[in-house]
Amino acid sequence: NAGVTQTPKFQVLKTGQSMTLQCAQDMNHEYMSWYRQDPGMGLRLIHYSVGAGITDQGEVPNGYNVSRSTTEDFPLRLLSAAPSQTSVYFCASTTIAVGGNIQYFGAGTRLSVL
Amino acid sequence: AQSVTQLGSHVSVSEGALVLLRCNYSSSVPPYLFWYVQYPNQGLQLLLKYTSAATLVKGINGFEAEFKKSETSFHLTKPSAHMSDAAEYFCAVSEGNTPLVFGKGTRLSVIA
Repeated sequence: NAGVTQTPKFQVLKTGQSMTLQCAQDMNHEYMSWYRQDPGMGLRLIHYSVGAGITDQGEVPNGYNVSRSTTEDFPLRLLSAAPSQTSVYFCASTTIAVGGNIQYFGAGTRLSVL
Repeated sequence: AQSVTQLGSHVSVSEGALVLLRCNYSSSVPPYLFWYVQYPNQGLQLLLKYTSAATLVKGINGFEAEFKKSETSFHLTKPSAHMSDAAEYFCAVSEGNTPLVFGKGTRLSVIA
């Protein structure tokens, strides 16, 4: 059982370049999220999706775009990379259950923007 | 809106000593509360969660947390620290099916 798979694990971009961070889950969860993790800031929510075709903004959405065409995939697009987007990005897939949801995280993508 | 405050960005304990990581939350409705652990260069792993069934919650690796509504706290404890407990710990809150809101994390160091 793969769980949540993120690719690539590492990426270096130049300012202004665009790229897509991939996230796939095989648990048939409706709910998926993208976070960024920066030192001393914890995890901050970028975008999330409650099902195919439905997305919403989180705390820090600017500079990022998402779409959800299938239940399994939730890619995150950087439209024009900036040094401020240097971070570790985590995708999460959530099971909605009685007693609260549980998020399962991918291993992360370390992104450097030069 | 919900929020989480973790007191102490870095906690250092001796091996065998009590571990206490503090978390206070703010929520307008009865919350769901979580503790996650992150080992170096890895993703986050769920340690335990509070779902209103019991105020004392036991998790993996000998950790437990107690929900105290009057103090709006959900502190994480472990009676005896092990070297393998060195990691970063995150407290998180959710109101029903809303996205998790995380604290800024506490890095735990264990000294031999």
